[in-house]
Amino acid sequence: EEQLVESGGGLVQPGGSLRLSCAATGFSFSDYAMHWVRQPPGKGLEYVSAINSDGTIKSYATSLRGRITVSRDNSKTTLDLQMGSLTAADTAMYFCARRGPGLALDIWGQGTMVTVSS
Amino acid sequence: DIQMTQSPSSLSASVGDRVTITCRASQTISNYLNWYQQKPGKAPKLLIYSTSTLQSGVPSRFSGGGSGTDFTLTISSLQPEDFATYYCQQSYSTPRTFGGGTKVEIK
Repeated sequence: EEQLVESGGGLVQPGGSLRLSCAATGFSFSDYAMHWVRQPPGKGLEYVSAINSDGTIKSYATSLRGRITVSRDNSKTTLDLQMGSLTAADTAMYFCARRGPGLALDIWGQGTMVTVSS
Repeated sequence: DIQMTQSPSSLSASVGDRVTITCRASQTISNYLNWYQQKPGKAPKLLIYSTSTLQSGVPSRFSGGGSGTDFTLTISSLQPEDFATYYCQQSYSTPRTFGGGTKVEIK
């Protein structure tokens, strides 16, 4: 079964940092670009970041550029998101997703919750 | 960034109704338009990609259309399991922006 499982979320103080991870199983991870998408409580989906299949091309949401870094380890089939200078506005469920046909996101993880609060 | 605008933001409908949701892009995106369904507490699920191609396993009552800047998602006969929030997303350029969502509720 093709599956993505996120981890690393939790409660962090304003100004703090956090590293999220996404473990992929059941498919050839190194063949696919991957995305991070977030969703604040009660709100819509927001693109966060993307990385191509070999990790050489990365993109970030305009509002987050400079505070986040995406990376991947194809040997371990994991995707990471390093976030810094966190504020309450970063409080959200963070999903990793696989880019599939039509450049759409065809496989999603269950999400990991990040709460920024003192 | 390309802005994606969905309408309506919410709607009430009955089982069996035909429902259409609209998504408009702030600039042309060719046919790079995708639709997702999300139920409370769950991850989004891909329904349609490239404007009109049904993802494997998605019922045929779902259909998509449009091109350029204006797109639609139609549910031909609403079923109880279709009550959810629907999002469009453009995959034409980075950042791959989402619409604000349309919540489909039971009338």
